[in-house]
Amino acid sequence: AQSVTQPDIHITVSEGASLELRCNYSYGATPYLFWYVQSPGQGLQLLLKYFSGDTLVQGIKGFEAEFKRSQSSFNLRKPSVHWSDAAEYFCAVGGGGDYKLSFGAGTTVTVRA
Amino acid sequence: DAGVIQSPRHEVTEMGQEVTLRCKPISGHNSLFWYRQTMMRGLELLIYFNNNVPIDDSGMPEDRFSAKMPNASFSTLKIQPSEPRDSAVYFCASSATGGTGELFFGEGSRLTVL
Repeated sequence: AQSVTQPDIHITVSEGASLELRCNYSYGATPYLFWYVQSPGQGLQLLLKYFSGDTLVQGIKGFEAEFKRSQSSFNLRKPSVHWSDAAEYFCAVGGGGDYKLSFGAGTTVTVRA
Repeated sequence: DAGVIQSPRHEVTEMGQEVTLRCKPISGHNSLFWYRQTMMRGLELLIYFNNNVPIDDSGMPEDRFSAKMPNASFSTLKIQPSEPRDSAVYFCASSATGGTGELFFGEGSRLTVL
């Protein structure tokens, strides 16, 4: 069975500081991994994805994530957060023929001035 | 290109009434998903269609929920009769079979059942 754990429910970070969101997954084969962001009242928007190749992937809005197979992790990072990065972030895992994604519970990011 | 389009964006109804949520997936996508999002349970997959055929409806809570996809460009999620515990945001998402499984989400339909 596939599953995703996001250990941090809520993170508060100062504007300009770095951000790292943790994601651990369980998947029986080579995973496809995703990070989505949801702003209040909006749908989910894809930040970045990994399915093969370079384990460090770049996404939109200055985000990057690193796939570490040995740790079953896919942590999201941003060197310097902006107030507009305040949102909820979801990690998801999938792959194979059915393309169903399993989502983590999400991490809410608050950015303080 | 237009994204996934959902309607209505907001629906307030009374318990016992029928609710129909609508979704237009991205043209060319042949996988469609309905998700429900609540504070308590997070994102739950309700049903998954591929090429207009329901493949997995194991997430549909009970018989009050039904979903159809009569053609590649339209899907509905119906709740009849509605109950207060159905209050949630319902998302439709689509993806392209043969791709990497990336889902494209609509903006959601926020349902409040009084």
